[in-house]
Amino acid sequence: QSVLTQPPSVSGAPGQRVTLSCTGSSSNIGASYDVHWYQQLPGTAPKLLIYGNNNRPSGVPDRFSGSRSGTSASLAITGLQAEDEADYFCQSYDNSLSGSVFGTGTKVTVL
Amino acid sequence: QLKLQESGSGLVKPSQTLSLTCGVSGGSINSDGYYWSWIRQPPGKGLEWIGYIYHSGSTSYNPSLKSRVTISIDRSKNQFSLQLRSVTAADTALYYCARAPTTTDTYYFDYWGPGALVTVSS
Repeated sequence: QSVLTQPPSVSGAPGQRVTLSCTGSSSNIGASYDVHWYQQLPGTAPKLLIYGNNNRPSGVPDRFSGSRSGTSASLAITGLQAEDEADYFCQSYDNSLSGSVFGTGTKVTVL
Repeated sequence: QLKLQESGSGLVKPSQTLSLTCGVSGGSINSDGYYWSWIRQPPGKGLEWIGYIYHSGSTSYNPSLKSRVTISIDRSKNQFSLQLRSVTAADTALYYCARAPTTTDTYYFDYWGPGALVTVSS
């Protein structure tokens, strides 16, 4: 039931920069609702990575950054490291569903 | 440090009711400013928000599940619970409880439990 679309996979070499997209619509991201991002390492619960479009919780490296524009949002990872290999999910609010919605998820592979 | 822990039956028969509880430690479920939430993830798939409850007892549910879901709170035990009725195999998933600050209308989930796998099978 995901209403936010993410590319299934993204890959990059160590040290490179990768960008993950999250595409929504006028009832969620396009309505200026904040976008949040989560990192899910294999076999673990999701971890909050970015909140309010571009804010990092304490302890999250500044290699991770977020942005929002129009009906889309992006997560950038600079200086890619092996430990960044994980699934990443975006999340926002949808006013037609009156609830929280998640993206389809992107698997990041470090080559 | 806040900790959440899901507990409940890991195997539920089709048409029966799934019941899970989330115990909260390191903080009070009665605190203002937080939604206590349930989220699920079918094996190998994405995340789906189920609903949340505020300490006052007010709730909000995913419209796709609303007719089958009840989230309740037990302030004396510092825990909240999920009931999902008339389950089918499609409800097989890892169920997470999580906390969401109410600081914005697009609440995010800052603390998560480790998850509880619930399988629906006869």
